[in-house]
Amino acid sequence: TQLLEQSPQFLSIQEGENLTVYCNSSSVFSSLQWYRQEPGEGPVLLVTVVTGGEVKKLKRLTFQFGDARKDSSLHITAAQPGDTGLYLCAGGKSRDDKIIFGKGTRLHILP
Amino acid sequence: KAGVTQTPRYLIKTRGQQVTLSCSPISGHRSVSWYQQTPGQGLQFLFEYFSETQRNKGNFPGRFSGRQFSNSRSEMNVSTLELGDSALYLCASSLSQGVTDTQYFGPGTRLTVL
Repeated sequence: TQLLEQSPQFLSIQEGENLTVYCNSSSVFSSLQWYRQEPGEGPVLLVTVVTGGEVKKLKRLTFQFGDARKDSSLHITAAQPGDTGLYLCAGGKSRDDKIIFGKGTRLHILP
Repeated sequence: KAGVTQTPRYLIKTRGQQVTLSCSPISGHRSVSWYQQTPGQGLQFLFEYFSETQRNKGNFPGRFSGRQFSNSRSEMNVSTLELGDSALYLCASSLSQGVTDTQYFGPGTRLTVL
């Protein structure tokens, strides 16, 4: 059973479009993180959200943590080819717990 | 500041052999975690070390082991390799333990078991 379910698994859209990817769980997490991974490299942290309902913005990327701290979303405005990559969400149920990763959303932005 | 380095980057082994992978964390980082990444299962947590002590362990068989040295460098060992052990093995370091501490990942070691 995957504790963090990410959807969609794959997404291919045209440059300039908006998109949202989701990270859902039936469990409560103390924090959730979003990473982007490009081929041949390790994941790179984009953001950490810790408070239910929290919204964080990183240029064209908007991250939201659900009120109940069971889910999160990543919205990209006006997607660009440089946004292409594997987006991973990860979380820990408590501060000292191990971090669990979702399987990721593979995003491809067509120029 | 140098990032997390992992050696070797690529490795080919045959079933039954053993392998040791190495990870050098960012200078000053005391926590090192290891993950296995496969297309089918995604990123799965192997173990975490902090100040030479194993803090957390994932659900992997005892063939997977690790250790951390006093300089925070870490190694993981896989004995009696199986075909299913083929994967990208990632190491991540952070200043201290805790799920909210930023983890910095290395580029990984690509292990192929034939």
